[in-house]
Amino acid sequence: DGGITQSPKYLFRKEGQNVTLSCEQNLNHDAMYWYRQDPGQGLRLIYYSQIVNDFQKGDIAEGYSVSREKKESFPLTVTSAQKNPTAFYLCASSAAAGGQETQYFGPGTRLLVL
Amino acid sequence: AQSVTQLGSHVSVSEGALVLLRCNYSSSVPPYLFWYVQYPNQGLQLLLKYTSAATLVKGINGFEAEFKKSETSFHLTKPSAHMSDAAEYFCAGRLGGGSNYKLTFGKGTLLTVNP
Repeated sequence: DGGITQSPKYLFRKEGQNVTLSCEQNLNHDAMYWYRQDPGQGLRLIYYSQIVNDFQKGDIAEGYSVSREKKESFPLTVTSAQKNPTAFYLCASSAAAGGQETQYFGPGTRLLVL
Repeated sequence: AQSVTQLGSHVSVSEGALVLLRCNYSSSVPPYLFWYVQYPNQGLQLLLKYTSAATLVKGINGFEAEFKKSETSFHLTKPSAHMSDAAEYFCAGRLGGGSNYKLTFGKGTLLTVNP
């Protein structure tokens, strides 16, 4: 079955630590996205990538970094500069960025701070 | 400013009753609009989307939505609620303004279905 996988399901971060969230898709989609979800806030865009080796900041990129070395993979690193990282993180992909293209979502990773 | 607004953060209905979840948008260009559903601790699943082909859009699980340009609305309805419909629902849109890649989300509406 084609889809998007995210791992781990739960992740714990210690103070001053960088952590990396994994996102893999086998849908052959060009575009991938990372969102942060906080209760009552909807989804906010962190980073997006329209094609391999290219990515752009979203609305809340500070304290996060990404890479897009392979079409299937778009890992997100939460750095120590992100002072309030506790949230539910969702990865999504679409065949192309923009227009009527549907974004398909992974199951999410919940990040908690120890 | 481009925006998506969901009226009512929490809606409660009885099983078998009509479900109406409200969504209004503000866009400088004709929008593409989407409704997603999220069950606890899961990702989002597409219910339906409006792409200008038809103003009444039918989706999965018996849901439908009507695009009304004059009211800048895209409300989600289901004639008869089922217990399994209890979830959080998000309206989202591509609203133009030079950021056609971006999907702008409303803050969500939590639907509770009472037996």
